[in-house]
Amino acid sequence: EVQLVESGGGLVQPGGSLRLSCAASGFTFSSYSMNWVRQAPGKGLEWVSYISSSSSTIYYADSVKGRFTISRDNAKNSLYLQMNSLRDEDTAVYYCAREVVVAAARWFDPWGQGTLVTVSS
Amino acid sequence: QSVLTQPPSVSAAPGQKVTISCSGSSSNIGNNYVSWYQQLPGTAPKLLIYDNNKRPSGIPDRFSGSKSGTSATLGITGLQTGDEADYYCGTWDSSLSARGVFGGGTKLTVL
Repeated sequence: EVQLVESGGGLVQPGGSLRLSCAASGFTFSSYSMNWVRQAPGKGLEWVSYISSSSSTIYYADSVKGRFTISRDNAKNSLYLQMNSLRDEDTAVYYCAREVVVAAARWFDPWGQGTLVTVSS
Repeated sequence: QSVLTQPPSVSAAPGQKVTISCSGSSSNIGNNYVSWYQQLPGTAPKLLIYDNNKRPSGIPDRFSGSKSGTSATLGITGLQTGDEADYYCGTWDSSLSARGVFGGGTKLTVL
């Protein structure tokens, strides 16, 4: 079964840091690009970051650029999101999602269950 | 403010049909493939439609997708109470720097 399990969320003060992890199983992790997507309480989905299978290409949303760093360890089948200089508006459930690409089409499947990050003093 | 525009809510009676629109631009929907996601209350999003109009295995043919120009549409027929959820369209955008984009989401209520 293809599965993604996030961890590392919690309560952190504004300006603090947190590192999220996403453990992948049931597929060849090193063959897929991965993404982080977040959802603030009661709000819609917001794409956060992308990393290619070999880590050679990385993208960030403008809202997190310069503060968040995406990385992966293919030997450990794991994806990470290092979040620094956290702000109140970063409060959200963070999902990791596998990106499937066929020809020019790309989509997210599956998604993890999410991990809640709360930024508050 | 989401890059893709969806109606905040739609509603219909059980057994009826509903459509959800997703409007974008040439930098996203106009030049990329659209996917749709269903988010049941309290759960993670789940892939519903990919490649504009294809259904993953296990998704009933009551769900359909289409795309024309810079807009996409999700259709659901034979509505069931279990279809009550938030629905999101998504694609890739290459305007300034490559980024993923989603619609603001549409809450479906089955009356």
